[in-house]
Amino acid sequence: AQKVTQAQTEISVVEKEDVTLDCVYETRDTTYYLFWYKQPPSGELVFLIRRNSFDEQNEISGRYSWNFQKSTSSFNFTITASQVVDSAVYFCASMDTGRRALTFGSGTRLQVQP
Amino acid sequence: DVKVTQSSRYLVKRTGEKVFLECVQDMDHENMFWYRQDPGLGLRLIYFSYDVKMKEKGDIPEGYSVSREKKERFSLILESASTNQTSMYLCASSPHTGLANQETQYFGPGTRLLVL
Repeated sequence: AQKVTQAQTEISVVEKEDVTLDCVYETRDTTYYLFWYKQPPSGELVFLIRRNSFDEQNEISGRYSWNFQKSTSSFNFTITASQVVDSAVYFCASMDTGRRALTFGSGTRLQVQP
Repeated sequence: DVKVTQSSRYLVKRTGEKVFLECVQDMDHENMFWYRQDPGLGLRLIYFSYDVKMKEKGDIPEGYSVSREKKERFSLILESASTNQTSMYLCASSPHTGLANQETQYFGPGTRLLVL
């Protein structure tokens, strides 16, 4: 069984601060896939990124960056120069390659104050 | 763009009622999923389906059933609603490519169900 842990329940920052959301995963699979989703107040989950277990390259997309480290089973997400529009709940998830279903962490609520 | 729609954003039902939550996707995806979201628990898988007429139990199927008569539509059924089924229900779909790294799930807006 897979498990995803997001230890930070809620984070509050002031606009323009950098913020890192932590994600730790557990899996027995040698090949696995990790995801980040954003859930704004409207409720719909928005896909942000997918990372394959065999690709440990970090990724940057604008103000967003992801740090994948197999040695610590972590897949952390950093927002640089946060903005009020970044306020949302962020979910980390892993894919069960058998069922093709996602196992989610409990989510981190990010509040960016102006 | 992938479009996943859910029939209702908000729903209020009485204990014991039979409840239908509908999900429709327009991208010809084979895989469809139902999750429920509760505070502090994230999203948990209820049922999923890889094809028409096919269904598989997820991690918390008790009290639920599903129906997939057409490829684009996946219905979640609460046979006799109970107060502990008050929750946010999210539907998702993904293509079946045979390669897990290409099967990103896309979510609908969710249905917030209140059972009184």
